Amino acid sequence: GIQVEQSPPDLILQEGANSTLRCNFSDSVNNLQWFHQNPWGQLINLFYIPSGTKQNGRLSATTVATERYSLLYISSSQTTDSGVYFCAVNAYSGAGSYQLTFGKGTKLSVIP
Amino acid sequence: GAGVSQSPSNKVTEKGKDVELRCDPISGHTALYWYRQSLGQGLEFLIYFQGNSAPDKSGLPSDRFSAERTGESVSTLTIQRTQQEDSAVYLCASRRTGTSTDTQYFGPGTRLTVL
Repeated sequence: GIQVEQSPPDLILQEGANSTLRCNFSDSVNNLQWFHQNPWGQLINLFYIPSGTKQNGRLSATTVATERYSLLYISSSQTTDSGVYFCAVNAYSGAGSYQLTFGKGTKLSVIP
Repeated sequence: GAGVSQSPSNKVTEKGKDVELRCDPISGHTALYWYRQSLGQGLEFLIYFQGNSAPDKSGLPSDRFSAERTGESVSTLTIQRTQQEDSAVYLCASRRTGTSTDTQYFGPGTRLTVL
């Protein structure tokens, strides 16, 4: 099946710093989503971005589908950005449906 | 509008007992997924429902796991004879359509602890 690799696995930032999270995937995809899992476990949709670039406030994401990677940019980080960031791509289950295959996540800690 | 809701939020049970977890998808969403997240891991696909089609059960880890959904409404995930390795957060997601390119929205999860 499709492989999703995220890097780095852990990241510690000083408040106000910028960061780039990377997601590599092993096959063509028609759906890629970035999620933030907050300390309470809630998965929050950040971007639906199978290709191109999107921005939402201090966050932006770029997916280069032909090269099978996506990047999530966090600018001027805040302590509330802490949590785990997941990349997920569509994968065919082999039994008639597509479901999201998740990477193992990047755990971000923003310190004051 | 209301998001995906799940109940209970936490469940502690003894090994060997059966448990039932509930998911209420976003109203009007035809697709519903169950995932499992073990400690410190990403999410693992379990089962997918789309409208009245036969569900895709290819992710269920054993025959102790089953799920039902009536039409486009509530779904229940049942784990029989629970084992300690079943301890995890069980997440439900819904999607507006059957189109694979649409966005999935997740519920808050049920944290299951098997003693």
